Amino acid sequence: DIVLTQSPDSLAVSLGERATINCKSSQSVLFNSNNKTYLSWYQQKPGQPPKLLIYWASTRESGVPDRFSGSGSGTDFSLTISSLQAEDVAVYYCQQYHTTPLTFGGGTKVEIK
Amino acid sequence: QVQLVESGGGVVQPGGSLRLSCTASGFSFRKNAMHWVRQAPGKGLEWVAFIRFDGSKTEYRDSVRGRFTISRENSKKTLYLQMNRLRPDDTAVYYCAKVGEDYGDLYHFDTWGQGTLVTVSS
Repeated sequence: DIVLTQSPDSLAVSLGERATINCKSSQSVLFNSNNKTYLSWYQQKPGQPPKLLIYWASTRESGVPDRFSGSGSGTDFSLTISSLQAEDVAVYYCQQYHTTPLTFGGGTKVEIK
Repeated sequence: QVQLVESGGGVVQPGGSLRLSCTASGFSFRKNAMHWVRQAPGKGLEWVAFIRFDGSKTEYRDSVRGRFTISRENSKKTLYLQMNRLRPDDTAVYYCAKVGEDYGDLYHFDTWGQGTLVTVSS
């Protein structure tokens, strides 16, 4: 199975400051045949289902604010919130959809400092 | 709008069975692979199973293979998860999720249902 390791487990950031979450994969999630990276990021607020933020490692989902960005390649990825807003308090998960079983990172809880 | 609504959760004794349903609206259900993902109370997300857009292929995580069956009725725009021989560690909120690309199997999930809680306890 592909293991995704997220860091940190939790993060407290001041309003308007940058938050960066890391996700390391135990093996590459790049498909050479189409040169696409099969990694996505989700935001989950309490009592709600996850919401897609980023797919193909760096493509922002329609309607997602541009303060959210994804980067990385191969086995190392990041989600950055450029200017944290109060409504961004949530748990964030990375996910690989390269190989079954599909797997998620353990989650990173983002709070306001 | 695109919507998924799960139903069928509840409390069941160990060894019992439940069938979850997920009803879709607002998109061409027959074109999309569908997945089930679960989340134990206070825990992270865990992929359970998927079914191809036409039902011709299914895959499961090891811990549920042989106990759970994923299926779909495209004419009813409904996805199912038949869960047999349930165990306490199956206790979770079960979400159905739609992949973000037509006809493909493994893609990001662009739409999730609200989830249905399954509790396995005596």
